[in-house]
Amino acid sequence: GAVVSQHPSWVICKSGTSVKIECRSLDFQATTMFWYRQFPKQSLMLMATSNEGSKATYEQGVEKDKFLINHASLTLSTLTVTSAHPEDSSFYICSARMTSGRMRNNEQFFGPGTRLTVL
Amino acid sequence: AQSVTQPDIHITVSEGASLELRCNYSYGATPYLFWYVQSPGQGLQLLLKYFSGDTLVQGIKGFEAEFKRSQSSFNLRKPSVQWSDTAEYFCAVAEYSNYQLIWGAGTKLIIKP
Repeated sequence: GAVVSQHPSWVICKSGTSVKIECRSLDFQATTMFWYRQFPKQSLMLMATSNEGSKATYEQGVEKDKFLINHASLTLSTLTVTSAHPEDSSFYICSARMTSGRMRNNEQFFGPGTRLTVL
Repeated sequence: AQSVTQPDIHITVSEGASLELRCNYSYGATPYLFWYVQSPGQGLQLLLKYFSGDTLVQGIKGFEAEFKRSQSSFNLRKPSVQWSDTAEYFCAVAEYSNYQLIWGAGTKLIIKP
């Protein structure tokens, strides 16, 4: 159980276009979803935290207007990279957390990631 | 500030040999500690976690980790590695206040036949 999917798994786009990445919790309801960015040979960098039905909380240095996050339901969050440029090329990973409350119930389950290449 | 350090960027081990991946953390309160594995083309998978209690934690795939408060460490071990263990391993600590994960830089494990 606790499967998280991401779509697409990889995408290539032209500079200036927008790309939407979907993150779905397949067999549980996720009150919170996280979006990470991973550069080659580096660790994960948290971009933002999104709670269902409210605005996302962005980490310092992450442009809100550049990376639009929508957490419209308990099973779906989307990340839209607007006006993408080559420097936005990266591996984007989402994770979903089941419930609030005790830490023991707060394990994050990760999607397989989306490889974005902007030409 | 909270931080996680994985001192080894790359480790190469022969198949069948034992393994220890190091992880040190800096955190004021009792930490919640995790080890994740990222295999090529796959998502992050939780190997094991420590919240409280027994400081020796057993995980999946034959891995274990020991929490040592005096050394601020949470090293990952496996007595006999397999070729399929080739992957990148990440140590992480969760902030108590918001449960966000703080990640180490990762250790890339290569298994020699």
